[in-house]
Amino acid sequence: GAGVSQSPSNKVTEKGKDVELRCDPISGHTALYWYRQRLGQGLEFLIYFQGNSAPDKSGLPSDRFSAERTGESVSTLTIQRTQQEDSAVYLCASSLNGGEWTEAFFGQGTRLTVV
Amino acid sequence: EDQVTQSPEALRLQEGESSSLNCSYTVSGLRGLFWYRQDPGKGPEFLFTLYSAGEEKEKERLKATLTKKESFLHITAPKPEDSATYLCAVQTYGGATNKLIFGTGTLLAVQP
Repeated sequence: GAGVSQSPSNKVTEKGKDVELRCDPISGHTALYWYRQRLGQGLEFLIYFQGNSAPDKSGLPSDRFSAERTGESVSTLTIQRTQQEDSAVYLCASSLNGGEWTEAFFGQGTRLTVV
Repeated sequence: EDQVTQSPEALRLQEGESSSLNCSYTVSGLRGLFWYRQDPGKGPEFLFTLYSAGEEKEKERLKATLTKKESFLHITAPKPEDSATYLCAVQTYGGATNKLIFGTGTLLAVQP
């Protein structure tokens, strides 16, 4: 597609349930990022993929959070045993190669509400 | 620790009243500085990348500049449609990561 696509756009889940958030990056982009944005706050880095590998997972807040990427394309962010503090907008971005001279383009985000 | 600070947190302008937003950064080595615009309920929209001190980029009413310690986003004769949150981010050298480190943004409101 023309841009970064995320699904679902909205997700309401009960506390303790697992959720999966999907990101389809721009075709040909090898770098992919996940960020979290809590209401009224800035973007918090979660994880960075180069190809199918994740050289930087330093932002994942706990072992309940995991992410994978396959085929140097789609990525899935999984949150297990969701908690209310996980409520946020989860944003995905991709860039051509993650290095110099490339910009990161964002999707519209998935708004996660844990009730 | 690499850090990005944006000011002011919020800015209210009258239509046509020019102003500047500030992004100051403390990083070990700057690879690039990025400006994004974010509308409510949307993902950030890429505006500019700056790579070296003295560099300037322009797009319509927006002009971004970069020094060794900060970047400015100048807004000339703003219109109500320029109302949004403007985010600054840096990418640094070193290590395996290419992550962007974001500031908390400036919420701009332009009144007609």
